[in-house]
Amino acid sequence: QVQLQESGPGLVKPSETLSLTCAVSGGSISPYYWSWIRQPPGKGLEWIGYIYYSGSTNYNPSLKSRVTISLDTSKKQFSLKLSSVTAADTAVYYCARDLGDGYGPYYFDQWGQGTLVTVSS
Amino acid sequence: QSVLTQPPSVSGAPGQRVTISCTGSSSNIGAGYDVHWYQQLPGTAPKLLIYGNNNRPSGVPDRFSGSKSGTSASLAITGLQAEDEADYYCQSYDSGLSADVVFGGGTKLSVL
Repeated sequence: QVQLQESGPGLVKPSETLSLTCAVSGGSISPYYWSWIRQPPGKGLEWIGYIYYSGSTNYNPSLKSRVTISLDTSKKQFSLKLSSVTAADTAVYYCARDLGDGYGPYYFDQWGQGTLVTVSS
Repeated sequence: QSVLTQPPSVSGAPGQRVTISCTGSSSNIGAGYDVHWYQQLPGTAPKLLIYGNNNRPSGVPDRFSGSKSGTSASLAITGLQAEDEADYYCQSYDSGLSADVVFGGGTKLSVL
């Protein structure tokens, strides 16, 4: 059974860059999509973006200018960088595996436990 | 504002049947894209409940079922149990100007 585990700082200062990593264990990186999803406190889910095992990426247009998702297949991990953060970026950040095929994403069958990132000085 | 619209809350007594709607548009559900549902228990990560409109992953009770018609989808829960109290989210693909992956705003299910 594949497991995902997020890691990274729980506190980030405004205007700085949020950096998180998701380690994948118990399964292969291919041939899946790997996504980041966030959930502000008390609110709903927002998809941030994905990286396909081939390295191609796609981001939410609302965040595209600030987001970078990368993949390290040798370490079986993928990462999120979100620049110029504000208090509005405070959320629980989840990594998740998507079972889409080469035509596009589909649904998330495995999720990490989530990590709370607070943006505050 | 979410691309997919869900009622903020629904409730039901134990043993009853409840449904949660998910309304989209011609660029997502109405375009034929499948709808998936997730259950989020308090303080935990979302869990896949229904995929491909009406398919249950292994381990999900058959009390949970999904359907899709036109630009909308529904999640039905029969024989309501206290442990079903959670937030439920629908998700689909969007081919319009919004994000590729879109979620509903979530529905809080209360078991009375």
